[in-house]
Amino acid sequence: EDQVTQSPEALRLQEGESSSLNCSYTVSGLRGLFWYRQDPGKGPEFLFTLYSAGEEKEKERLKATLTKKESFLHITAPKPEDSATYLCAVQAGGAQKLVFGQGTRLTINP
Amino acid sequence: EPEVTQTPSHQVTQMGQEVILRCVPISNHLYFYWYRQILGQKVEFLVSFYNNEISEKSEIFDDQFSVERPDGSNFTLKIRSTKLEDSAMYFCASTLAGRYNEQFFGPGTRLTVL
Repeated sequence: EDQVTQSPEALRLQEGESSSLNCSYTVSGLRGLFWYRQDPGKGPEFLFTLYSAGEEKEKERLKATLTKKESFLHITAPKPEDSATYLCAVQAGGAQKLVFGQGTRLTINP
Repeated sequence: EPEVTQTPSHQVTQMGQEVILRCVPISNHLYFYWYRQILGQKVEFLVSFYNNEISEKSEIFDDQFSVERPDGSNFTLKIRSTKLEDSAMYFCASTLAGRYNEQFFGPGTRLTVL
């Protein structure tokens, strides 16, 4: 069974304090790894797709990387508006469904 | 920018009642999905739909659930006889292709079963 585990569950940072969120996965035949941002009471908002080990994608203060077993979401010099829950999801084998991790709740204090 | 829309934003119902949740996917997308998120838990896949057929479903998607694309724009999820444990946020998503493409999610419908 495909599994996705995110750590830490929650992370509190000061504004400007860089850090990384981890997503480790166990799947049969990874097709894609997706990062989403979710604000309270809202739907997941797409951020990145990574397809193969070694791939990196960047968007503003966020950079996502992928290895054969895990992905990292690096956040550089975060601002309070980056506060949200960050979700990792995988698509594997012939399936269309996304399998989500439980998310990392990120809080950036001003 | 095109987006997925969902109605209603909040639905309150009594246990045993039928509910229909509605979604308008992004107009040129071909694959449609329903997910749910029980408060404090992971987002869980329910069903995917392509070419007017269910293409994949989870163990959660039992006989109480059904999906339909009644016209060219709407995509609905029906729960025939709601249970307390059906209380959750229900998200619709759509994508241009089934694999390799990002799924875009709607804002969700909060279903409360009393």
